Amino acid sequence: TQLLEQSPQFLSIQEGENLTVYCNSSSVFSSLQWYRQEPGEGPVLLVTVVTGGEVKKLKRLTFQFGDARKDSSLHITAAQPGDTGLYLCAGVTDSNYQLIWGAGTKLIIKP
Amino acid sequence: KAGVTQTPRYLIKTRGQQVTLSCSPISGHRSVSWYQQTPGQGLQFLFEYFSETQRNKGNFPGRFSGRQFSNSRSEMNVSTLELGDSALYLCASSLALAGVINEQYFGPGTRLTVT
Repeated sequence: TQLLEQSPQFLSIQEGENLTVYCNSSSVFSSLQWYRQEPGEGPVLLVTVVTGGEVKKLKRLTFQFGDARKDSSLHITAAQPGDTGLYLCAGVTDSNYQLIWGAGTKLIIKP
Repeated sequence: KAGVTQTPRYLIKTRGQQVTLSCSPISGHRSVSWYQQTPGQGLQFLFEYFSETQRNKGNFPGRFSGRQFSNSRSEMNVSTLELGDSALYLCASSLALAGVINEQYFGPGTRLTVT
């Protein structure tokens, strides 16, 4: 069974601080996606990383795919209250394009 | 382009009843996936439909079923509702073209409460 472990499960920090969320697996993925979900809404795709070692930036958010394509991280610089939400990672398997989902990181940024 | 729509948004049912939820995918998207989301279990994959056929299935009992129509719209049905079925049910659509990354576009969800 393929698993994707996310850490931390919950993070509450002050506005302006930096943070990193991790997504780890023992399995290799062809790509990995990050989503953000706000209360009462469905998840929204933030980014897809495809190549081992790839780094993508989305304003203050930096996403990295591990060299071996087994792990990924999301780093937020100078967090703002608008970054509050549930962050989910999902790995795409090679076999049937099925997504393997992490349990999510609930992030709260306090003003 | 219109996003994924789900109806109804909120639903209250009684134990033992059945319920049908509807999802209209983004135009041109051929795959529809259904998920159950609860605070304790996170996002759990129910099943995926592609070209009217169930292509993948998660680990849920047979009370959970679905179907997809020729216009790619999908419905999921839950029979003999249990209290534990209370959850946010999310539908997601994707292009699902060969060689294209399976990026999911989610609807707002249907909040089901079973009493």
